[in-house]
Amino acid sequence: SAVISQKPSRDICQRGTSLTIQCQVDSQVTMMFWYRQQPGQSLTLIATANQGSEATYESGFVIDKFPISRPNLTFSTLTVSNMSPEDSSIYLCSVPTSGASDTQYFGPGTRLTVL
Amino acid sequence: GQSLEQPSEVTAVEGAIVQINCTYQTSGFYGLSWYQQHDGGAPTFLSYNALDGLEETGRFSSFLSRSDSYGYLLLQELQMKDSASYFCAVSRGGRGSTLGRLYFGRGTQLTVWP
Repeated sequence: SAVISQKPSRDICQRGTSLTIQCQVDSQVTMMFWYRQQPGQSLTLIATANQGSEATYESGFVIDKFPISRPNLTFSTLTVSNMSPEDSSIYLCSVPTSGASDTQYFGPGTRLTVL
Repeated sequence: GQSLEQPSEVTAVEGAIVQINCTYQTSGFYGLSWYQQHDGGAPTFLSYNALDGLEETGRFSSFLSRSDSYGYLLLQELQMKDSASYFCAVSRGGRGSTLGRLYFGRGTQLTVWP
């Protein structure tokens, strides 16, 4: 199984600021995914981070608000820009359980609180 | 779009069997998977079905009926540590296209009593 780490594990931020979340995997993967889980809610897919090309965003999520980088096959960042209290969530990255799989391993998450 | 329905809560006693149902509506259905999440923890993969039928993995089994857009997770010999949230998730598209994008249900909170 893949080992996924995220930084920071949690943060408290002020409204209007931005936070960049890092996701590191211990093996090379083609696709990485970013999800949001609002308090007491389910997981919602934000975007697919593709190595060597722009991220693919789901409906309701835009690049200006959630810019994503994918500089190599083991690393990705998600930035939450111009934050508001509604952005308070757990942000999780995930990778496929195998090369051609649509099941996922999830990172431990970043718990973000926006004041 | 897609929608998934699953019960919000289920309770059972240790040693019992519990079934968590999931019905879904989506275009381009590829597979149904199940994840467990303990409070404060990351979701962990439990089971997956792309074809009709039952998949068994230890105490956990999952079933899929594509014609009925329905699946369930069966947990046997329940233990206190099974108390957690359980999510069903659909994946859409086929291999090489949108593979890996998951759309989750709202989750079922399972409480196991001694």
